[in-house]
Amino acid sequence: AQTVTQSQPEMSVQEAETVTLSCTYDTSESNYYLFWYKQPPSRQMILVIRQEAYKQQNATENRFSVNFQKAAKSFSLKISDSQLGDTAMYFCAFMNYKGAQKLVFGQGTRLTINP
Amino acid sequence: DADVTQTPRNRITKTGKRIMLECSQTKGHDRMYWYRQDPGLGLRLIYYSFDVKDINKGEISDGYSVSRQAQAKFSLSLESAIPNQTALYFCATSTGPPSSYNEQFFGPGTRLTVL
Repeated sequence: AQTVTQSQPEMSVQEAETVTLSCTYDTSESNYYLFWYKQPPSRQMILVIRQEAYKQQNATENRFSVNFQKAAKSFSLKISDSQLGDTAMYFCAFMNYKGAQKLVFGQGTRLTINP
Repeated sequence: DADVTQTPRNRITKTGKRIMLECSQTKGHDRMYWYRQDPGLGLRLIYYSFDVKDINKGEISDGYSVSRQAQAKFSLSLESAIPNQTALYFCATSTGPPSSYNEQFFGPGTRLTVL
């Protein structure tokens, strides 16, 4: 079974700083997807970024980028020029490439951006 | 209008009561999922359904049952609620087949408190 681990329960940075959230996972699969979801106080789950394991290039979405290290089974999220609106809970998640495509989530990291 | 809706949004009930959480979607997706979110544990899969006649247990199905009344509706029931079922519950939908990436779209969540 796949597992996802986020070892940073809480993080706090100043506005405009860069912050990196860590995630490690365990799987025996070779093809899969990895995600970062954002959950603001509204509690809505918002997809931030997606990475396909077969792609070597790291995914980027505006100020959000990932560092995907397949051999190390590591998938970190970097937020550049952080904004107050980035304050939220962030979840790392794993999905098998085929089959049931169930999401397996990490424990979450609560990120606070301070003015 | 939201594509994935959940009712109720908040619910307080007492131990031993039967309660149903409902999920409806207008996205035309075949696949529907129920997740439970607890602090420090992230989201965990309770049940998932690929069509009306295909229902599967997830990671933590004990104490829960589901009904897929139609393609667009997927209900989660707690037959006899207990306090440790207090949590935030999410419904999600996705399309198929499994040969390509199928993003899961989340509803707004139901906050359930069992006293």
